[in-house]
Amino acid sequence: EAGVTQFPSHSVIEKGQTVTLRCDPISGHDNLYWYRRVMGKEIKFLLHFVKESKQDESGMPNNRFLAERTGGTYSTLKVQPAELEDSGVYFCASSRGVGYGYTFGSGTRLTVV
Amino acid sequence: AQSVTQPDIHITVSEGASLELRCNYSYGATPYLFWYVQSPGQGLQLLLKYFSGDTLVQGIKGFEAEFKRSQSSFNLRKPSVHWSDAAEYFCAVGDNYGQNFVFGPGTRLSVLP
Repeated sequence: EAGVTQFPSHSVIEKGQTVTLRCDPISGHDNLYWYRRVMGKEIKFLLHFVKESKQDESGMPNNRFLAERTGGTYSTLKVQPAELEDSGVYFCASSRGVGYGYTFGSGTRLTVV
Repeated sequence: AQSVTQPDIHITVSEGASLELRCNYSYGATPYLFWYVQSPGQGLQLLLKYFSGDTLVQGIKGFEAEFKRSQSSFNLRKPSVHWSDAAEYFCAVGDNYGQNFVFGPGTRLSVLP
């Protein structure tokens, strides 16, 4: 099966600009997650979709971040406006459900200058 | 809430030597435990997982991990390290649905020729 696909792989934007990250989960995986690792710190949970519904968005840092998953397929994570502290690697993962663990994508490295 | 500690930030071993990476977790119920590896420029790859049953779990690339409930540990081992094992290793604990991961801070492994 194809893996979790994320793009772009790298993005460099200026502070104040908008960036949209995309994640295509494995086909048939209802669960989709966003995580990020900023400044070499721990990988932190952002949010969890079940199909098109937000199951848990407790990890979203502030209202500059907006995640969507229209139709329950791919997901986007928009950062608007981007700040310097948003720099890091954003990972997407998908899962079939309980007990299967996650399959992660290769991540999007975001650099805000 | 669950938490994960990886006491070693950076470990250096010689190629062919044995390896043990430590992981301790805190979780009130039976944990779902995972080890992931991130090679330079790559995403997070699942090495192995523990849900129940045999406490010694075999994974890919010759890795294994042992769940010790009494010590709240899930240490990763490999009998003979290869240069290609140089990467960052993350231990993670999921809740009783195998979801909502919490990652440890990671251990960076360097391998000397």
